[in-house]
Amino acid sequence: RKEVEQDPGPFNVPEGATVAFNCTYSNSASQSFFWYRQDCRKEPKLLMSVYSSGNEDGRFTAQLNRASQYISLLIRDSKLSDSATYLCAARTGGFKTIFGAGTRLFVKA
Amino acid sequence: DVKVTQSSRYLVKRTGEKVFLECVQDMDHENMFWYRQDPGLGLRLIYFSYDVKMKEKGDIPEGYSVSREKKERFSLILESASTNQTSMYLCASSSVGGAITDTQYFGPGTRLTVL
Repeated sequence: RKEVEQDPGPFNVPEGATVAFNCTYSNSASQSFFWYRQDCRKEPKLLMSVYSSGNEDGRFTAQLNRASQYISLLIRDSKLSDSATYLCAARTGGFKTIFGAGTRLFVKA
Repeated sequence: DVKVTQSSRYLVKRTGEKVFLECVQDMDHENMFWYRQDPGLGLRLIYFSYDVKMKEKGDIPEGYSVSREKKERFSLILESASTNQTSMYLCASSSVGGAITDTQYFGPGTRLTVL
């Protein structure tokens, strides 16, 4: 079982839709969590960090459920420019961060 | 803004060649990382360094080595390139290793093809 798992998608949604991705992690000692956005053939860029129950930034909300060991990313009012791959990551402590393989999102007009 | 740069965006090498990938960061970060990214597998950690001349193996160090002679520079070396090392290589840096708030910033990546 992978330490961090994501549904690879793709998720195809119309502009203006709300879309949610889940990410599960296997190590209950994980302390901090991250969502990165990665455009095609580009590097991952940090979207949000989650250390406690959740975080919100504009149209983006991340929620952490420690009991069920998953984090979610909710995107409201999707824009064409939100089309990308979204990577989930978890860190237990120390230096290592474990990344999921990513969820692909296509937002269509 | 944090800036992490990598020496090449695209590289084509032949089997058996020695390959050097260079990464430089300009934010005085302590920690630097090398990952490879393959479809369906996500980012996998090859090596990391938390100080000059210090290095630690990641999850897939076989066939690779690293060098960190200066704080801002972290090099990945493929001693004898093989076709299964064809991949996207991403360098990252972070400032506060071990803290839960530690955030990694990535370079633009080097797409390496080994023929």
